[in-house]
Amino acid sequence: EADIYQTPRYLVIGTGKKITLECSQTMGHDKMYWYQQDPGMELHLIHYSYGVNSTEKGDLSSESTVSRIRTEHFPLTLESARPSHTSQYLCASTDDRELHTQYFGPGTRLTVL
Amino acid sequence: GQNIDQPTEMTATEGAIVQINCTYQTSGFNGLFWYQQHAGEAPTFLSYNVLDGLEEKGRFSSFLSRSKGYSYLLLKELQMKDSASYLCAVSGAGSYQLTFGKGTKLSVIP
Repeated sequence: EADIYQTPRYLVIGTGKKITLECSQTMGHDKMYWYQQDPGMELHLIHYSYGVNSTEKGDLSSESTVSRIRTEHFPLTLESARPSHTSQYLCASTDDRELHTQYFGPGTRLTVL
Repeated sequence: GQNIDQPTEMTATEGAIVQINCTYQTSGFNGLFWYQQHAGEAPTFLSYNVLDGLEEKGRFSSFLSRSKGYSYLLLKELQMKDSASYLCAVSGAGSYQLTFGKGTKLSVIP
């Protein structure tokens, strides 16, 4: 099973601030994902990466951006946070050894005032 | 595209057995997954089916019928801690992405 970490766990910030949500995994997984989930609602894929220097947008349009400079690290950035960005952000990873089973980090609960 | 359907809510009694159904329509198929998600927490992996039949793992079992586009998660000897949302997810052929259903919120009552 993957060891996957997210920081911060909780973040409350004001409108207009730039934020970066961190996600790291120690299993050498090549595939990583960002999901957005509102309370009681379904998971929506917003970004994914199949390897270093490879990033794609997911099914749900998001104003956030991602980068994948190192295999283990997949940060998500919001240049100018707005109240509509308030949500839980979940990072996940997998590779072929895991038979595509995605393992999730603990999540970051973001509140934008 | 992919479409996944599962009941929104279910209630069951402690010690009982509950079956959570999932039907799916997908262009190609590479596996079906069940996750458990407690309120406010991240999903945790429960089971994976790629071939037809039943996979058993302790109190949890998962069944798949690819021809019917149907799966179920069976939880035995229910405990209060099993109160959570159960997410059905499908991986399409040649895809490394999972499409998640909206989840079934299970409430276990004494």
